Amino acid sequence: DAKTTQPPSMDCAEGRAANLPCNHSTISGNEYVYWYRQIHSQGPQYIIHGLKNNETNEMASLIITEDRKSSTLILPHATLRDTAVYYCIVRVVRGRSGSARQLTFGSGTQLTVLP
Amino acid sequence: DGGITQSPKYLFRKEGQNVTLSCEQNLNHDAMYWYRQDPGQGLRLIYYSQIVNDFQKGDIAEGYSVSREKKESFPLTVTSAQKNPTAFYLCASSILGASGSLEQYFGPGTRLTVT
Repeated sequence: DAKTTQPPSMDCAEGRAANLPCNHSTISGNEYVYWYRQIHSQGPQYIIHGLKNNETNEMASLIITEDRKSSTLILPHATLRDTAVYYCIVRVVRGRSGSARQLTFGSGTQLTVLP
Repeated sequence: DGGITQSPKYLFRKEGQNVTLSCEQNLNHDAMYWYRQDPGQGLRLIYYSQIVNDFQKGDIAEGYSVSREKKESFPLTVTSAQKNPTAFYLCASSILGASGSLEQYFGPGTRLTVT
């Protein structure tokens, strides 16, 4: 799995967009980008994933550069409850049959939303 | 309300006692997982199960045991053989499939303290 690099911490004003970058310059063609977050003392929460097209869901948007070497998770209107550690993960997605897969998190980005 | 539940949230035990952590899901997911998280660290996989009555060891299975008698339930027993049982234990579930197994849904966690 490709290595990812994220800034250790970021601040964002409440109500503003939070843009969290992730560098994955060694990503290969069959690797997806996944984002999770973990609020202090809670279980991790899946946010979004994508391969090469930009993706949006009710929580966030994922922008992947054309060369796929980096991506940005966008929380369009950050709230205090979005304060958490955000993890970018790059993983190969195997064929249709699939199997249970282990998640491994790096150190992530501590996002602090300020009032 | 679909989700994954763990109980209790906090658990205290004396050294030498076995303890069982509960995990239940009503998401109809085939795969279930147990992870351990130590302070400031990432997740480490203890056990996982892809189907009822079958489970596989993860990276740190020693001192732990599991069962999967029902699709909805995947209890974890921390035995007295586990050298450092004090940790935050997280249960997760997912579908099986190309990308689905990396889209894991976590419970709130059980914080176990052994003295």
